[in-house]
Amino acid sequence: ETGVTQTPRHLVMGMTNKKSLKCEQHLGHNAMYWYKQSAKKPLELMFVYSLEERVENNSVPSRFSPECPNSSHLFLHLHTLQPEDSALYLCASSQEISGQGVYEQYFGPGTRLTVT
Amino acid sequence: GENVEQHPSTLSVQEGDSAVIKCTYSDSASNYFPWYKQELGKRPQLIIDIRSNVGEKKDQRIAVTLNKTAKHFSLHITETQPEDSAVYFCAASRDSNYQLIWGAGTKLIIKP
Repeated sequence: ETGVTQTPRHLVMGMTNKKSLKCEQHLGHNAMYWYKQSAKKPLELMFVYSLEERVENNSVPSRFSPECPNSSHLFLHLHTLQPEDSALYLCASSQEISGQGVYEQYFGPGTRLTVT
Repeated sequence: GENVEQHPSTLSVQEGDSAVIKCTYSDSASNYFPWYKQELGKRPQLIIDIRSNVGEKKDQRIAVTLNKTAKHFSLHITETQPEDSAVYFCAASRDSNYQLIWGAGTKLIIKP
């Protein structure tokens, strides 16, 4: 498997469930991102793990919890979600070099989440 | 806060004509401006980017122009083809920040 992969590709969960989304990058990158994509906000950054530092978007509810055990894997733990959380969740990775700016982000195929 | 405004939200052009999408940014320290293309049901992919030390960059039928004084940059697609139909996103960032600030996207429709 090459590039950025995400599992599952589709997920239906009830509001009381707990589930996790998984992302894996095979590009040797050192930064990973979670984005939420919906009709209301086409690309909304949720979390960044860059050079092993987590950067949060303060508007993300606590029912979303990221985990980055190493530079190749990223998880998004979900609990007590609301119907408005239904969206496409995209993972991305990039190679960041301190002080040298931003480089291309490579996206995964996304997980289509439906909260019932 | 920092933001990027993108216009228009939808653009419909005749096949073979040119398309132009414009973005303005608020952070004057921004120095990196990428454009991503997302085809229906697919992931966003980088198609072209520009850094603030140049004013224009071309790659075959696509080009990006940057006006740092006015804080805006544009994507130009010439001789449009059906496969250019997609949503295009602009973004901006600065060297000291790994986060991209994204525009709201433009849905480009190529009419046969």
